[in-house]
Amino acid sequence: QKEVEQDPGPLSVPEGAIVSLNCTYSNSAFQYFMWYRQYSRKGPELLMYTYSSGNKEDGRFTAQVDKSSKYISLFIRDSQPSDSATYLCGGSGGSNYKLTFGKGTLLTVNP
Amino acid sequence: DAEITQSPRHKITETGRQVTLACHQTWNHNNMFWYRQDLGHGLRLIHYSYGVHDTNKGEVSDGYSVSRSNTEDLPLTLESAASSQTSVYFCASRGAANTGELFFGEGSRLTVL
Repeated sequence: QKEVEQDPGPLSVPEGAIVSLNCTYSNSAFQYFMWYRQYSRKGPELLMYTYSSGNKEDGRFTAQVDKSSKYISLFIRDSQPSDSATYLCGGSGGSNYKLTFGKGTLLTVNP
Repeated sequence: DAEITQSPRHKITETGRQVTLACHQTWNHNNMFWYRQDLGHGLRLIHYSYGVHDTNKGEVSDGYSVSRSNTEDLPLTLESAASSQTSVYFCASRGAANTGELFFGEGSRLTVL
């Protein structure tokens, strides 16, 4: 079992929709959780970062972590065509804090 | 502005050749990482380093090596390239050991024929 599981999609939504992206993880040592956004033929860039359980909001984006169920979520409100990208969830922690990623979900927001 | 750069951005090579991908960062970050990204597998960790002369194997390290002689550079070497190593390679760096904020380069697309 991979440490971080993520449905690769693809996911296609109309502009203005609320998008929900989800991951599960198995490593109980994870303390730091993040979402990266990757546009086509570009490197990933950090979108949201949270420590332990809870919610974090940044504009149209909300990240949620539930450590009891080992569940990571990203919500995008009022989605825009510019949000079309691959979204990667990840976690780190333990003795070496290396970051492990899910496979990524390809999102397309249609105008 | 500080940055992380990879070279070459694109390379085609033949099976059995040695290939080195360069990674250079100007943030003075101690932590540097190499990932490969393949369809259906996402980002997989190849090697990582937490400081000069420190190197560690990731989940897919066979056939790859790294060396860290200074803070700024972590070159990735494929000792004898194989077709299975055709991929997009990303270098990343991180300032603090216990946070997840990696800064990625633009990637190096390697094709092994």
